[in-house]
Amino acid sequence: DQQVKQNSPSLSVQEGRISILNCDYTNSMFDYFLWYKKYPAEGPTFLISISSIKDKNEDGRFTVFLNKSAKHLSLHIVPSQPGDSAVYFCAARPLGGALNFGKGTSLLVTP
Amino acid sequence: DVKVTQSSRYLVKRTGEKVFLECVQDMDHENMFWYRQDPGLGLRLIYFSYDVKMKEKGDIPEGYSVSREKKERFSLILESASTNQTSMYLCASRRDRLSGNTIYFGEGSWLTVV
Repeated sequence: DQQVKQNSPSLSVQEGRISILNCDYTNSMFDYFLWYKKYPAEGPTFLISISSIKDKNEDGRFTVFLNKSAKHLSLHIVPSQPGDSAVYFCAARPLGGALNFGKGTSLLVTP
Repeated sequence: DVKVTQSSRYLVKRTGEKVFLECVQDMDHENMFWYRQDPGLGLRLIYFSYDVKMKEKGDIPEGYSVSREKKERFSLILESASTNQTSMYLCASRRDRLSGNTIYFGEGSWLTVV
């Protein structure tokens, strides 16, 4: 049973605009959430994370928001750039446990 | 910088062959993981290991086994490869269970079973 869900398989955004990628989870024991970015034929690379004790974490153009009551997190990229085009995976883990990944959202940023 | 190295990037194997996928990390990480990535299914956990000689089943362990004889090396074994095991396999490592939250991935191994 999928505990981390990314319901949008793809997203297309114009360069310079905001990209919002969404993720929902079902396990209330998850205490840490991460976003990974993946280019074709490469391994995923870590992008940004957030602990369950926070509701926002920002790193440059990337911001992750966590809404624990809704079991929802989102990744905002602003401004979006063509190099951001990739598959983005949401991941979550219980304390000390292995990461559970969503199915990914393919982001296309068009010039 | 953490480096996770997967020895084979591209492999083609025949149905029924035994396949070894090797992974080495150079940061003295305790935890190591094997995932597979398939279109529309995301990253699915096959097996993981919290320390040497330890192993735990992930979500899809059927048809696979693992070996962790040394801390830096985690091997994924397909005892008898089948066509539905054609996939991209990703190895990852993490410092430890308690303090290391981020896991680091290798570049992936593309396996085709014919």
